[in-house]
Amino acid sequence: AQSVAQPEDQVNVAEGNPLTVKCTYSVSGNPYLFWYVQYPNRGLQFLLKYITGDNLVKGSYGFEAEFNKSQTSFHLKKPSALVSDSALYFCAVRDLILTGGGNKLTFGTGTQLKVEL
Amino acid sequence: DAMVIQNPRYQVTQFGKPVTLSCSQTLNHNVMYWYQQKSSQAPKLLFHYYDKDFNNEADTPDNFQSRRPNTSFCFLDIRSPGLGDTAMYLCATSKGGAADSNQPQHFGDGTRLSIL
Repeated sequence: AQSVAQPEDQVNVAEGNPLTVKCTYSVSGNPYLFWYVQYPNRGLQFLLKYITGDNLVKGSYGFEAEFNKSQTSFHLKKPSALVSDSALYFCAVRDLILTGGGNKLTFGTGTQLKVEL
Repeated sequence: DAMVIQNPRYQVTQFGKPVTLSCSQTLNHNVMYWYQQKSSQAPKLLFHYYDKDFNNEADTPDNFQSRRPNTSFCFLDIRSPGLGDTAMYLCATSKGGAADSNQPQHFGDGTRLSIL
């Protein structure tokens, strides 16, 4: 089975500083990777995905992620953090294509990002 | 804007009393998913529909059922909720078919269910 790991439960960063939220993956075959963000009492919002192509993927709200095959990583980055970026971030890998269509995602355990003034 | 709407946002019910959560979508997606998310944990897939075809995850308790009367609506029924079913329940949609298997899922804002 495919899996992702988020080694940090929480990341603290000062507003204006760059942020990184780490994710490593373990897959057989080509990885299909996603980042989602969850604000309190809200659903998950899609940020970006890596399927193939450029290793640097740009997404919503100024976020980007770097795919590194040799390190089996897919870290989420943003050059300048905002207080409003404070939320729970999930890395996910497409585990399998479900019967009839759609995809099963395996999520990491989540990383709480806290951006302080 | 096309979206996924879940109702109610908050639900409190008594131990053992059946409860139904609803989800509607305007994205016209073939696939609808139900997830259970316990406090600060990753979402756990319960089941999904591809059109009218229902697919249960192997470890989903029998207590959890679902209905999809049409493309737009999907319901989660918990027949006899236990205290351990207190969680956020998330509905999501995606396009169907192998060609769209890498498309992201679109989530609703969830229903926070409390069993007393």
